[in-house]
Amino acid sequence: LAKTTQPISMDSYEGQEVNITCSHNNIATNDYITWYQQFPSQGPRFIIQGYKTKVTNEVASLFIPADRKSSTLSLPRVSLSDTAVYYCLVAPTGGFKTIFGAGTRLFVKA
Amino acid sequence: EPEVTQTPSHQVTQMGQEVILRCVPISNHLYFYWYRQILGQKVEFLVSFYNNEISEKSEIFDDQFSVERPDGSNFTLKIRSTKLEDSAMYFCASSGRTNPSGRAEETQYFGPGTRLLVL
Repeated sequence: LAKTTQPISMDSYEGQEVNITCSHNNIATNDYITWYQQFPSQGPRFIIQGYKTKVTNEVASLFIPADRKSSTLSLPRVSLSDTAVYYCLVAPTGGFKTIFGAGTRLFVKA
Repeated sequence: EPEVTQTPSHQVTQMGQEVILRCVPISNHLYFYWYRQILGQKVEFLVSFYNNEISEKSEIFDDQFSVERPDGSNFTLKIRSTKLEDSAMYFCASSGRTNPSGRAEETQYFGPGTRLLVL
């Protein structure tokens, strides 16, 4: 199982773009990269998923270089409500074991 | 938008008692999961379930734990004899709805969790 490494915490201000990078040097060919957001006492909430290159949705963008050994979650113009823990996961398809790391605690200040 | 639901939201039990946590996954999903999160710690995988049997389980998922999909809609986690250290949030998740092109979507959608307190 690919192990992920993320910064433990990040601080930002409202309106700024936040980029959180995750390292996954041992990613396997059939692994997908998924980012989740978790607020206290709530379940993780899906943000974005990708396999390679760039993926964008209404919430975030995900940048994945060609070697797939890292990925960067980009949150445009964060607000106070984006204060949460962000998890990067790599896992194969089809109901396999999914390992959460410690995540990155993002604190958005006014 | 469809969502995973879990009941109860909170459960308090005495050590040694059996508890059953219930989940209703998103319909048409194929894979089901249980996770737990001890207060202040990371989310830990317990078990995955597909085609009415366990796909994978972690070392946490010992003989005291079992899972069942009794009726095609509910997915349950049973802890036979609870211990103090079983106190945690338990999250259910589901994934694997087949998209129009026939490929199973891998995004796991999580429920709101059940907070279990063992006294």
